[in-house]
Amino acid sequence: AQSVTQPDIHITVSEGASLELRCNYSYGATPYLFWYVQSPGQGLQLLLKYFSGDTLVQGIKGFEAEFKRSQSSFNLRKPSVHWSDAAEYFCAVGGPYNQGGKLIFGQGTELSVKP
Amino acid sequence: EAGVAQSPRYKIIEKRQSVAFWCNPISGHATLYWYQQILGQGPKLLIQFQNNGVVDDSQLPKDRFSAERLKGVDSTLKIQPAKLEDSAVYLCASSFLRREQYFGPGTRLTVT
Repeated sequence: AQSVTQPDIHITVSEGASLELRCNYSYGATPYLFWYVQSPGQGLQLLLKYFSGDTLVQGIKGFEAEFKRSQSSFNLRKPSVHWSDAAEYFCAVGGPYNQGGKLIFGQGTELSVKP
Repeated sequence: EAGVAQSPRYKIIEKRQSVAFWCNPISGHATLYWYQQILGQGPKLLIQFQNNGVVDDSQLPKDRFSAERLKGVDSTLKIQPAKLEDSAVYLCASSFLRREQYFGPGTRLTVT
């Protein structure tokens, strides 16, 4: 069955510190992978996406993610966190194998940033 | 470029009442999705349209939920009658060529 696991429900980091959010997936073929961010009361904003090619992808707001097929992972990283990065982060998997390209989301990781 | 529009943003109803949500996708996006996001969880797909046809409604509770996209542009999701467990955020998303999806701000539904 297709699934996404985000092992960390809540993470707190200090402003200026580096960040890594973990994402593991289960999928029947080469997946399309996404990271979305959701601020309170808002919809989901696409941070970055992986379809194929270079396994290190760059996104908006200084985020990057690396696709590791051998580990079924797509971890999100940022070298220096800003207070405005506090939000909920969702990893999602989809692709043509999934009829219509529907997304399967993880449970989310809530990020808090300490001053 | 305008994003995905949704209305209303908030709705409070009593159980057994009906409610409808509206979504207007990004211009030119043929694929439209409705997701349900329960507090503390990731979004879950309810129904997907390609133009005005249904592609996937396998997780739509069809005894109480219905959705339409009559002209292949905007869409309406309806719940009748609502239950307490329907309290959630209802997100609409659209995509071009079924690749990345762009989400609207959502409608927060509270059923009392």
